[in-house]
Amino acid sequence: DTGVSQDPRHKITKRGQNVTFRCDPISEHNRLYWYRQTLGQGPEFLTYFQNEAQLEKSRLLSDRFSAERPKGSFSTLEIQRTEQGDSAMYLCASSPLEPKGSAYEQYFGPGTRLTVT
Amino acid sequence: TQLLEQSPQFLSIQEGENLTVYCNSSSVFSSLQWYRQEPGEGPVLLVTVVTGGEVKKLKRLTFQFGDARKDSSLHITAAQPGDTGLYLCAGEFRGNTPLVFGKGTRLSVIA
Repeated sequence: DTGVSQDPRHKITKRGQNVTFRCDPISEHNRLYWYRQTLGQGPEFLTYFQNEAQLEKSRLLSDRFSAERPKGSFSTLEIQRTEQGDSAMYLCASSPLEPKGSAYEQYFGPGTRLTVT
Repeated sequence: TQLLEQSPQFLSIQEGENLTVYCNSSSVFSSLQWYRQEPGEGPVLLVTVVTGGEVKKLKRLTFQFGDARKDSSLHITAAQPGDTGLYLCAGEFRGNTPLVFGKGTRLSVIA
């Protein structure tokens, strides 16, 4: 299966610690997105890349968050000095640069569940 | 402000019943995608609609995009327990840009 993969699937950390998540997109996909989903909500956009270029960051992405995609393949999302409010499911999605028919479709990974204690 | 409003938020029905889930907005979208999400997993893409008035069918699921491309509906015929899950609609303002999601409809189909 060559879908989007994320690692780790679960992370429990203490408040104040740094955490890093990894996302491997579908191999031929140029665009990579990060979303955050809290309980009872739909996913909310954080940031996205086209190849290695970070094209947009949401206002949700505070200074404690940083994302990279150094070689245009996998991406990492780091959260520094975690807070309890950072507890959420962090989702990665990828899409090709060219549409499928007339639609651009995003495919999601299984997510990383972060719990900050 | 929620750009995409989904209704109902929760739905519990008996196996074999029909149901419709709605996704409404005051904004125009270039496309709208429907996903289903299981607990602890990422959303799985069901369908993408692009053209106003478009209807797409996926087995017992029928998806419709409103004529003005501001709303969409998902109709399930003869629901089965395997249809249980969180149904999310997501809109795209321009092609290949970040998605805006609704809060989802949590469906429970009881055998």
